Amino acid sequence: LAKTTQPISMDSYEGQEVNITCSHNNIATNDYITWYQQFPSQGPRFIIQGYKTKVTNEVASLFIPADRKSSTLSLPRVSLSDTAVYYCLVWGYGNKLVFGAGTILRVKS
Amino acid sequence: DGGITQSPKYLFRKEGQNVTLSCEQNLNHDAMYWYRQDPGQGLRLIYYSQIVNDFQKGDIAEGYSVSREKKESFPLTVTSAQKNPTAFYLCASSNPGDRAKAFFGQGTRLTVV
Repeated sequence: LAKTTQPISMDSYEGQEVNITCSHNNIATNDYITWYQQFPSQGPRFIIQGYKTKVTNEVASLFIPADRKSSTLSLPRVSLSDTAVYYCLVWGYGNKLVFGAGTILRVKS
Repeated sequence: DGGITQSPKYLFRKEGQNVTLSCEQNLNHDAMYWYRQDPGQGLRLIYYSQIVNDFQKGDIAEGYSVSREKKESFPLTVTSAQKNPTAFYLCASSNPGDRAKAFFGQGTRLTVV
């Protein structure tokens, strides 16, 4: 299983764009990159998933360079309610779902 | 509504007692997972099951047991062999066709006194 590395924490202010980068140097050809969000005392929630280039949905964008050794989750114009832990996962078909330590994002007013 | 349900939300047990946490899903998902989360930490995988009547150990299976007799249900038993069972337990389910898009329950907070 590919190991992921993320910053432990990040601080931002309301209205700013936040970019969280995840490193996954030994990602396999068939692996997908997936991000989850978790609020305190709740289960994680799926945010976005991608394989290469750029993926965008109503919540976030995911940028994946050609070598796929890293990825960046972009949250546009964050609000206080985006304060949460964000997890980057690398997953391949048939593999178990393994979470790392995640990145604590604190949004301030 | 389709979803994944964990019960109870809070559970208190005396040290040395076994306790079973319930996880039920009506999403028709093949795979189910159990995680443990300690304060300020990430999720650690206890057990997972890709199909009925089959399950595999995760990273911290010692002191836990599971069964997968039905597709909808994946109960977790915390045994007296688990040295430090007080934690937040999360159950999840997913389908291989949905890749890593898993759905999580609301969690069970177990406190052993």
